[in-house]
Amino acid sequence: DAGVIQSPRHEVTEMGQEVTLRCKPISGHDYLFWYRQTMMRGLELLIYFNNNVPIDDSGMPEDRFSAKMPNASFSTLKIQPSEPRDSAVYFCASSVGLNTGELFFGEGSRLTVL
Amino acid sequence: QQQVKQSPQSLIVQKGGISIINCAYENTAFDYFPWYQQFPGKGPALLIAIRPDVSEKKEGRFTISFNKSAKQFSLHIMDSQPGDSATYFCAAAPRARQLTFGSGTQLTVLP
Repeated sequence: DAGVIQSPRHEVTEMGQEVTLRCKPISGHDYLFWYRQTMMRGLELLIYFNNNVPIDDSGMPEDRFSAKMPNASFSTLKIQPSEPRDSAVYFCASSVGLNTGELFFGEGSRLTVL
Repeated sequence: QQQVKQSPQSLIVQKGGISIINCAYENTAFDYFPWYQQFPGKGPALLIAIRPDVSEKKEGRFTISFNKSAKQFSLHIMDSQPGDSATYFCAAAPRARQLTFGSGTQLTVLP
């Protein structure tokens, strides 16, 4: 399997623009997670899905952030409008079950908002 | 209650030395304690994990020591190598709940 695939790997945008990050989880995995990593706050869980249904979005910073999982093989994280403080590396991860085994991370999408 | 406190923030070790990273938690419901390793430009990857029914787990040069009464667990890297230079995250979770990650330790192993 190719692992968790994220796109784009790098995104530079201007404040106020819409940003869409994409993720393809590992086939057969029933959980999908979106994390944000910054030097100041470390790895923060934003939202996670089970069988395409959002389970916990309490980590989503504010209404500017939204996430969808229209099917088992695709998820998006959207920021609209983007702000400089959203600059971070965003990781998607997937797993079989919750804490029954390994959480597989993608290589991340590095977002810079100018 | 959901926090996992990790120390030190950074660690420099000579090649061949022992690297020790510590984590502490408060939530007694936590029952899964993995460690993740992250290289620059990559996502974290599972290194080793333990459940509280054992006090130690060893995989090659990597060992988790777990102290349930003290609510602490640590990662020991024996015979540290320059290739071990990475950021290490401890994590914990209650049964059937999502992981909470520590703040990370940047390990540098000098040749």
